[in-house]
Amino acid sequence: QKEVEQNSGPLSVPEGAIASLNCTYSDRVSQSFFWYRQYSGKSPELIMSIYSNGDKEDGRFTAQLNKASQYVSLLIRDSQPSDSATYLCAVSRSWGKLQFGAGTQVVVTP
Amino acid sequence: DGGITQSPKYLFRKEGQNVTLSCEQNLNHDAMYWYRQDPGQGLRLIYYSQIVNDFQKGDIAEGYSVSREKKESFPLTVTSAQKNPTAFYLCASSTTTVVGGGYTFGSGTRLTVV
Repeated sequence: QKEVEQNSGPLSVPEGAIASLNCTYSDRVSQSFFWYRQYSGKSPELIMSIYSNGDKEDGRFTAQLNKASQYVSLLIRDSQPSDSATYLCAVSRSWGKLQFGAGTQVVVTP
Repeated sequence: DGGITQSPKYLFRKEGQNVTLSCEQNLNHDAMYWYRQDPGQGLRLIYYSQIVNDFQKGDIAEGYSVSREKKESFPLTVTSAQKNPTAFYLCASSTTTVVGGGYTFGSGTRLTVV
């Protein structure tokens, strides 16, 4: 079983619609959760972090965390062509290390 | 501006050759990390360092070596023992080593075996 699982996609989303990305993790002691956006050929950039159960909103992005279900999600509202990228879910391990999922590719279509 | 600088951007390695990837940060971060990314796969941890003169193996350390002689620098050497080194290498740093804060990544080095 992979420690952090994501659907690989591609997730095709019409422009202006909501993109919903999901991530499950296996380590119950994980405390910190992150979403990174990675454009093709570029390095990941942090877009959201979440540490407690519930929702966290930042602009068009909302992260949702449910530790009991070991589930974290990312919603992208009013999707734009510039949101087309791969989104990586990352979960904290011991000593500051992060475990990354393989990523979900999002394609926003005009 | 503060950040992480990786060099070179592209690197070509011949069979049996050792190569060193540079990673320098001016963020005053204590922790630094090396990850490898293969197509369609997530990032896999090679080595990490929480403090100067100390580093630990990650999940895929075989065929790699590192040093941490200065807080700002964490170079990675890909040795000839690494049989499949072609990948995108990412260096990262963070302010915290316990809670698991978000990373700042460098721009990456793309290594190709020729």
